[in-house]
Amino acid sequence: GAGVSQSPRYKVAKRGQDVALRCDPISGHVSLFWYQQALGQGPEFLTYFQNEAQLDKSGLPSDRFFAERPEGSVSTLKIQRTQQEDSAVYLCASRAGGGGITGELFFGEGSRLTVL
Amino acid sequence: DAKTTQPPSMDCAEGRAANLPCNHSTISGNEYVYWYRQIHSQGPQYIIHGLKNNETNEMASLIITEDRKSSTLILPHATLRDTAVYYCIVRFYSGNTPLVFGKGTRLSVIA
Repeated sequence: GAGVSQSPRYKVAKRGQDVALRCDPISGHVSLFWYQQALGQGPEFLTYFQNEAQLDKSGLPSDRFFAERPEGSVSTLKIQRTQQEDSAVYLCASRAGGGGITGELFFGEGSRLTVL
Repeated sequence: DAKTTQPPSMDCAEGRAANLPCNHSTISGNEYVYWYRQIHSQGPQYIIHGLKNNETNEMASLIITEDRKSSTLILPHATLRDTAVYYCIVRFYSGNTPLVFGKGTRLSVIA
């Protein structure tokens, strides 16, 4: 597709379950970002990949959160032992360039996670 | 990156110009002003960015004051589809630091 694709769009998990959220960035985009957006708030940065390298994971809230991009394209955000405070929309964004040039970020529609 | 201040909400009549202000008094000389918007249930969408000159594209115009301490995003003829949260972000053009979103301005375009 032409844009950033995320799946699933909606996920309901029971507290304690593990979840995996997938992001398909725009083909050829070097940079990939994950953001978390709580209700009524702006997106908050979680982690950043340049190709397959995870260059910044300073925003991951706990060691229950893990992200990977093994082949430098598709990325997965995994949340282990989900808690109610993990309920949020998880946004993925990609950018054509690497670290040298900022450029425009293209966002997906997000994956809405609800933890019961 | 410098911090920005935006009003929490604004209304605009359909067909009129929407002028969204942003204060960034601590901006440094090589930081750019970026605007993104987020329509309900969608991801943020890039609108425009600028350094010190006014910029215009097919979506909007960006007016930056001469001292660069504030800017205004102008939607010349607002439509109902422009109802969204608008984020003003200041950051360096290059580097790996991510975009930092505040709470933005919720613009409601009213018929």
